[in-house]
Amino acid sequence: DTGVSQDPRHKITKRGQNVTFRCDPISEHNRLYWYRQTLGQGPEFLTYFQNEAQLEKSRLLSDRFSAERPKGSFSTLEIQRTEQGDSAMYLCASSVTGGAFFGQGTRLTVV
Amino acid sequence: DQQVKQNSPSLSVQEGRISILNCDYTNSMFDYFLWYKKYPAEGPTFLISISSIKDKNEDGRFTVFLNKSAKHLSLHIVPSQPGDSAVYFCAASDVSGGSEKLVFGKGTKLTVNP
Repeated sequence: DTGVSQDPRHKITKRGQNVTFRCDPISEHNRLYWYRQTLGQGPEFLTYFQNEAQLEKSRLLSDRFSAERPKGSFSTLEIQRTEQGDSAMYLCASSVTGGAFFGQGTRLTVV
Repeated sequence: DQQVKQNSPSLSVQEGRISILNCDYTNSMFDYFLWYKKYPAEGPTFLISISSIKDKNEDGRFTVFLNKSAKHLSLHIVPSQPGDSAVYFCAASDVSGGSEKLVFGKGTKLTVNP
């Protein structure tokens, strides 16, 4: 499979716990994005990497959120001290130029 | 404040007819526009895009029209097929301004009836 891969697909966690998601982009894509989608909304931008450099961050990305792309390949998104409001679909996408290609997402449920 | 608006939450059409999905935007700096299709429990799938230097882009059954003066774009699907039933998202970005961020609308749920 040469598409964008996200792991896990589903995560249920207790409030206050930390969670980490992984994204493996399409191999030749140097741009990587994280978005969050809640019910009835379109995806909302969280952050963007070009290679290993994090170039854009949304104000939605509070200090409990951190994203890394250490070698310019896969990326991780960590949420510390999860809150119920963090429950959402977390989407990763990658691109070279033009349209971004999305993975299937990680569905986070905070209970 | 919604910078990209899809004012129709849903649309229903008959198989074989044309589907027209509309999108309005407020940020005049947007210069690149995309349409995505999303099935339940999957990530969005890229369909078609258009740069602000064009007013039309066509790919098979899908055509996107851009009216910059009206800050409006539309996606035409002809002929519509039952497999086109999905949620369609319009997205925009300010590429020449150096932003890679896509701003999405809330989506329109298209149902194509056999």
